Amino acid sequence: QSMLTQPPSASGTPGQRVTISCSGSGFNIGSNTVNWYQQLPGTAPKLLIYSNDQRPSGVPDRFSGSKSGTSASLAISGLQPEDESEYFCAAWDDRLNVVFGGGTKVTVL
Amino acid sequence: EVQLLESGGGSMQPGGSLRLSCAASGFAFNNYAMSWVRQAPGKGLEWVSGISASGINRYYIQSVKGRFTISRDTSKNTVHLQMDSLRAEDTAIYYCAKDRTYDVTGSFDYWGQGTLVTVSS
Repeated sequence: QSMLTQPPSASGTPGQRVTISCSGSGFNIGSNTVNWYQQLPGTAPKLLIYSNDQRPSGVPDRFSGSKSGTSASLAISGLQPEDESEYFCAAWDDRLNVVFGGGTKVTVL
Repeated sequence: EVQLLESGGGSMQPGGSLRLSCAASGFAFNNYAMSWVRQAPGKGLEWVSGISASGINRYYIQSVKGRFTISRDTSKNTVHLQMDSLRAEDTAIYYCAKDRTYDVTGSFDYWGQGTLVTVSS
């Protein structure tokens, strides 16, 4: 089962900008849209970004997404202490399944 | 308010069976695809299976094909995951998730609280 590739960790101080990458292939990111999830410890994941760069209602605008080719990125601008969490990317794979990234733990220093 | 309430988790020996259920409310159930996503202890998210709004399209991760069956009951707004021939590596929290569209896309806007499945001898 293929998986999207994310860095295991990222960090920044309050107010900084943090970027998380997500790398895939032509079967998934290259031909379908990317979604991002935030998961706080002990809780269910929450949809943060859908269709590459769209924010659901209620998601702060400091979260933004982008996609280019077979890679995507999630940016957190103006990092806040409450952003300390794990973040996952996901996309439909044309081999008829959904693939997730391994997750990136963001630490606010 | 959208709610997804999973049930049916528990402990089972290898080779056994469990049936997970997810009761949905607060949205037009017949219009949206549904999926099961699992998370092994201390690990990341892994999509397991999904079913389109019509129930015609059903998808599975390779490791569960032939062992797990997803279905939906439109009369009860419920989605099920029948898990047979369970293995130790199936141990995980299983989340029910609602897709944003009529077919499975990986864009899950609502999640249940999860139900724990433990497979051990």
